[in-house]
Amino acid sequence: NAGVTQTPKFRVLKTGQSMTLLCAQDMNHEYMYWYRQDPGMGLRLIHYSVGEGTTAKGEVPDGYNVSRLKKQNFLLGLESAAPSQTSVYFCASSPTGSRNQPQHFGDGTRLSIL
Amino acid sequence: SQQGEEDPQALSIQEGENATMNCSYKTSINNLQWYRQNSGRGLVHLILIRSNEREKHSGRLRVTLDTSKKSSSLLITASRAADTASYFCATDNAGNMLTFGGGTRLMVKP
Repeated sequence: NAGVTQTPKFRVLKTGQSMTLLCAQDMNHEYMYWYRQDPGMGLRLIHYSVGEGTTAKGEVPDGYNVSRLKKQNFLLGLESAAPSQTSVYFCASSPTGSRNQPQHFGDGTRLSIL
Repeated sequence: SQQGEEDPQALSIQEGENATMNCSYKTSINNLQWYRQNSGRGLVHLILIRSNEREKHSGRLRVTLDTSKKSSSLLITASRAADTASYFCATDNAGNMLTFGGGTRLMVKP
């Protein structure tokens, strides 16, 4: 009963490097989300997807790209990592939109940019 | 920008006591949700209250919603050490996303 799985769990990058974070859900959910969590600031939405092949910008999209080629996967890419992107990244999914639907979260990816 | 703001930011109580956390928000909502986050883990959904509801219970949890004051409260009764976590409110503003507050860090001492 995996739910939402994020890989990797930890990563250290140097400034300017690129990487992709993978999120996979096995609940057949339509909606998927990427958040970042910084100390004392709660979660902020980066990008989200309302279905396979769709993506949309959230509150803090700059410096990130996403893709949803398969319904069960939602990828978050950093093209040129910056120290300001040091954070904990969470993926979530929900059956449909947030209207009266809870979101299900993965355990996060801890990313440090040196 | 954060829609919900939790108060207090941190709370320390003894096991067996009740814990109350408050959330205030700025714009109209469809629903408000509370989540728990244990250290190093993802968020876990606790309870959802719709805008036309005033109170909801789930086990030892009681959530109230006052849309006229744009505020909600989460009460945990008879707290246990295992309740130690951060608690977040999140608002659904009729879009496709939730907006989270900064959270309340609860410590329950055995």
